[in-house]
Amino acid sequence: GAGVSQTPSNKVTEKGKYVELRCDPISGHTALYWYRQSLGQGPEFLIYFQGTGAADDSGLPNDRFFAVRPEGSVSTLKIQRTERGDSAVYLCASSLAPDSRGGYTFGSGTRLTVV
Amino acid sequence: AQKITQTQPGMFVQEKEAVTLDCTYDTSDQSYGLFWYKQPSSGEMIFLIYQGSYDEQNATEGRYSLNFQKARKSANLVISASQLGDSAMYFCALNTGGFKTIFGAGTRLFVKA
Repeated sequence: GAGVSQTPSNKVTEKGKYVELRCDPISGHTALYWYRQSLGQGPEFLIYFQGTGAADDSGLPNDRFFAVRPEGSVSTLKIQRTERGDSAVYLCASSLAPDSRGGYTFGSGTRLTVV
Repeated sequence: AQKITQTQPGMFVQEKEAVTLDCTYDTSDQSYGLFWYKQPSSGEMIFLIYQGSYDEQNATEGRYSLNFQKARKSANLVISASQLGDSAMYFCALNTGGFKTIFGAGTRLFVKA
């Protein structure tokens, strides 16, 4: 597609449930990132994929968070046993390279609300 | 450790005037890149401008320019001839050639008619 697509745009879930957030990057972008943005703050790095592999997952807050990118395109961020503190906007971005001078192209985000 | 600091939570500017949004950074790396992004109320982050640490000229992109002062570790964004559509959150970001780009807390810009 022309841009980075994220689905769903909004997700409300009950505490303790499992959720999956999907990201479809720009075709040909091998670098894919997940960020989390809490209200009034800047995006916080979660994980970076180069192709199919997670090159840097140092931002994942704990082992309830996991992400995959099995074919090097679409990525899924998975959150187990959701907690109210997980409520945030989850942003996905892609680029040709991690230090691209052209910056990242971001999706519109998934707003996750845990009740 | 890398760090980005944006000290202005909110800024007001009159339409058609110029405005400067401040950004300071901290890194021990010699090679790095600085970015500015705009986030309108719709939520999507939009890349505006890039400055490499070895670039000799300050970056410019249309009405956006970056006032890069390497010794002071500052990378301020200048928006000339502000428009109502410039009202948004603005984020400064740093990449040191690694995998992650880190973002500041942002500055909310309000353009007054």
